[in-house]
Amino acid sequence: ETGVTQSPTHLIKTRGQQVTLRCSSQSGHNTVSWYQQALGQGPQFIFQYYREEENGRGNFPPRFSGLQFPNYSSELNVNALELDDSALYLCASSSGTSGGQFFGPGTRLTVL
Amino acid sequence: AQSVTQLGSHVSVSEGALVLLRCNYSSSVPPYLFWYVQYPNQGLQLLLKYTTGATLVKGINGFEAEFKKSETSFHLTKPSAHMSDAAEYFCAVGRQGDTGRRALTFGSGTRLQVQP
Repeated sequence: ETGVTQSPTHLIKTRGQQVTLRCSSQSGHNTVSWYQQALGQGPQFIFQYYREEENGRGNFPPRFSGLQFPNYSSELNVNALELDDSALYLCASSSGTSGGQFFGPGTRLTVL
Repeated sequence: AQSVTQLGSHVSVSEGALVLLRCNYSSSVPPYLFWYVQYPNQGLQLLLKYTTGATLVKGINGFEAEFKKSETSFHLTKPSAHMSDAAEYFCAVGRQGDTGRRALTFGSGTRLQVQP
């Protein structure tokens, strides 16, 4: 069974640029959630996708957007990058049962 | 609305000593509760979860936690610390029901140091 994978592992961008992060969900999981973890903090919920539709959103501006594909993989897009967007971005997949969410290794984004 | 408070951002114990990491939650609906561990430069690994039923939950690596509704707590314990337990630990709360499709609210984390 393949776990949750994310790419790239590290990324450096400059302020104002756009970035796309990718996530492949665990086999059999149809729900993907994205979290932002700033240095020294707990993860903060960005949004969730279920069957290719957004299924909930946290307190993040519209320049954070996403997609889910028919194979349940997902993308997180961030436009007009700001310095405060520097963080570890975590993807978590789940199957909609009480089994919890399973996290990938994350993408470390640095905005200069 | 839900929230999680982890008491103590840093906890240091000696190898072989008891580990106790504290978590209190606030939830307007019956909660599901989770503990995750994060090793440096890695994602989160699920240690254990409480959904319904038995309030004492056993997880991986010898950890366990007890759901105490009257105290709104879900403290994580391990009888004997090992050097490999050094990591960041996060408590999280989700809403009962379809937790796979509910956002998790995380605490700010507790960094556990294990001294030889």
